[in-house]
Amino acid sequence: GESVGLHLPTLSVQEGDNSIINCAYSNSASDYFIWYKQESGKGPQFIIDIRSNMDKRQGQRVTVLLNKTVKHLSLQIAATQPGDSAVYFCADYGGSQGNLIFGKGTKLSVKP
Amino acid sequence: GAVVSQHPSRVICKSGTSVKIECRSLDFQATTMFWYRQFPKQSLMLMATSNEGSKATYEQGVEKDKFLINHASLTLSTLTVTSAHPEDSSFYICSASRRGRYEQYFGPGTRLTVT
Repeated sequence: GESVGLHLPTLSVQEGDNSIINCAYSNSASDYFIWYKQESGKGPQFIIDIRSNMDKRQGQRVTVLLNKTVKHLSLQIAATQPGDSAVYFCADYGGSQGNLIFGKGTKLSVKP
Repeated sequence: GAVVSQHPSRVICKSGTSVKIECRSLDFQATTMFWYRQFPKQSLMLMATSNEGSKATYEQGVEKDKFLINHASLTLSTLTVTSAHPEDSSFYICSASRRGRYEQYFGPGTRLTVT
């Protein structure tokens, strides 16, 4: 079936380092991708999105890269801070109803 | 920005009782609302999609008679868990989107514990 998955379930980085979170998707027809951050006990928070006609998009301290050839998405966080510690989900609009499908999630832990 | 609230944030109920969770869009009209369930250390799983004034569309494996969804207005959707059992204990999250827009705005979630 269609799914969005992640390569790494956990990622531990030193404060100040850059973080890279990866995601693979399976639906080649997906044209819109989103990264969400979820802190413990809270709902997902939008970080950044990208459409399939782009291969890179930058935000504040975050960059999303999209490789449609290998159906791979990544989130790069520059100068990672303790406040970045959370679970990060990629998602795409690949559902049969045009709905959002979430990947498994990667837990990012930032060591001071 | 687009704000979505949920009420209550936490609820504990006894097995066999029903509990209602509200999802409100505070500053925009939500033509579509979504209900998700999230078990510990797992991803969000879509339960159902509801359009204002229409019956909800449930995902495969989600019992529509157990999880009653009402989307009677453009700012409010409710999820009622009927005859709750301990296995229904979970984190329930709603999201809302505007007509014709991809973006979903998520609520803060409701932690349901069934004893």
